[in-house]
Amino acid sequence: DQQVKQNSPSLSVQEGRISILNCDYTNSMFDYFLWYKKYPAEGPTFLISISSIKDKNEDGRFTVFLNKSAKHLSLHIVPSQPGDSAVYFCAAMEYGNKLVFGAGTILRVKS
Amino acid sequence: DAMVIQNPRYQVTQFGKPVTLSCSQTLNHNVMYWYQQKSSQAPKLLFHYYDKDFNNEADTPDNFQSRRPNTSFCFLDIRSPGLGDAAMYLCATSRDQGRTEAFFGQGTRLTVV
Repeated sequence: DQQVKQNSPSLSVQEGRISILNCDYTNSMFDYFLWYKKYPAEGPTFLISISSIKDKNEDGRFTVFLNKSAKHLSLHIVPSQPGDSAVYFCAAMEYGNKLVFGAGTILRVKS
Repeated sequence: DAMVIQNPRYQVTQFGKPVTLSCSQTLNHNVMYWYQQKSSQAPKLLFHYYDKDFNNEADTPDNFQSRRPNTSFCFLDIRSPGLGDAAMYLCATSRDQGRTEAFFGQGTRLTVV
């Protein structure tokens, strides 16, 4: 039973354009959401997070949007850079509980 | 200055031969996690420690055990590895349970032959 779903296995974007990565969840008790980035042969690194009391959080080129009614969040990267090419994992947490991950989306930014 | 260190990076073990993967952290975090990740799948939580309290996931096979002798170190023991246990094993830490990010090590790629 996948509680966190990333339905796009891969995404290809031109350098300078916007990358939008999507994530859906089923557990209404999740109240904290995170995005991780993973390069090959490395562990995931934390990128950005959002609490369920917010609908947007911004950090430089990265913005995460949360739509609680739709149980959907998205990560926007603008402008996209070739160094952003990586696997992006969406993760969700219920307070005091474990971090649940999606299967990841491979982002390729073409120069 | 790596904060979560996993050793070894690559481990080859024989079918049925016990193997131990190690994780250390310099962050002094209370929580340490072990995840299993198979190709193109989501990392799957096996268990975690909150300080010395061990929390096993309901669907983690008995073949997988863990030890946390002190705050800094945590071990994953696979008592009798099968071919299906070949995966990337990720260790992570977080300061506390709740709304805080987890920091991951580089992972150990386990091959079972």
